[in-house]
Amino acid sequence: GAVVSQHPSRVICKSGTSVKIECRSLDFQATTMFWYRQFPKQSLMLMATSNEGSKATYEQGVEKDKFLINHASLTLSTLTVTSAHPEDSSFYICSAFPGQGNNEQFFGPGTRLTVL
Amino acid sequence: DQQVKQNSPSLSVQEGRISILNCDYTNSMFDYFLWYKKYPAEGPTFLISISSIKDKNEDGRFTVFLNKSAKHLSLHIVPSQPGDSAVYFCAARGNAGNMLTFGGGTRLMVKP
Repeated sequence: GAVVSQHPSRVICKSGTSVKIECRSLDFQATTMFWYRQFPKQSLMLMATSNEGSKATYEQGVEKDKFLINHASLTLSTLTVTSAHPEDSSFYICSAFPGQGNNEQFFGPGTRLTVL
Repeated sequence: DQQVKQNSPSLSVQEGRISILNCDYTNSMFDYFLWYKKYPAEGPTFLISISSIKDKNEDGRFTVFLNKSAKHLSLHIVPSQPGDSAVYFCAARGNAGNMLTFGGGTRLMVKP
């Protein structure tokens, strides 16, 4: 199956700093990537849809100025958590959609963000 | 409003027996359904899917059944193995885009 990577896998930062998470599709081009957030023992909550070459579409309740998404190429999307606070601590997961008749989304391994 | 629901947060099954995980949805515009398996601190792994034009799809030990009239789908794992122990999410996709809506997940524990 298709491979999606995320970097870093784990990050610990001080409150007020910004953190960038990268999501890469390794063996396919992804016109659409998705960013999810998962709190402990809860489901995956879609944060935003990232389309290559255009602005991301954010879900209701997600602050676009807080969670900056850039999808500059067909294999890379980045999520920047700006001025992170302890309540931003969570597990962030990206997925990539190959399109072209493929119906599945392929998920990255996730990034554990802890804000002190 | 939760459009995709997995009403059983956990399920415990003996090794070798059948595991049945259930999922209900409310949006009749969903046209494609997927099951993902997730281990702690890892991303979900695609397991099996089914289009709304079918009522069954089988892949090895995994079978997904879709009952459109009841807006219900289920994942059958037989025989269950200890390595199947994980959280299983069902997801649904609408015909207007590629976005997935996930259920809350069911934690499956297969006892040796």
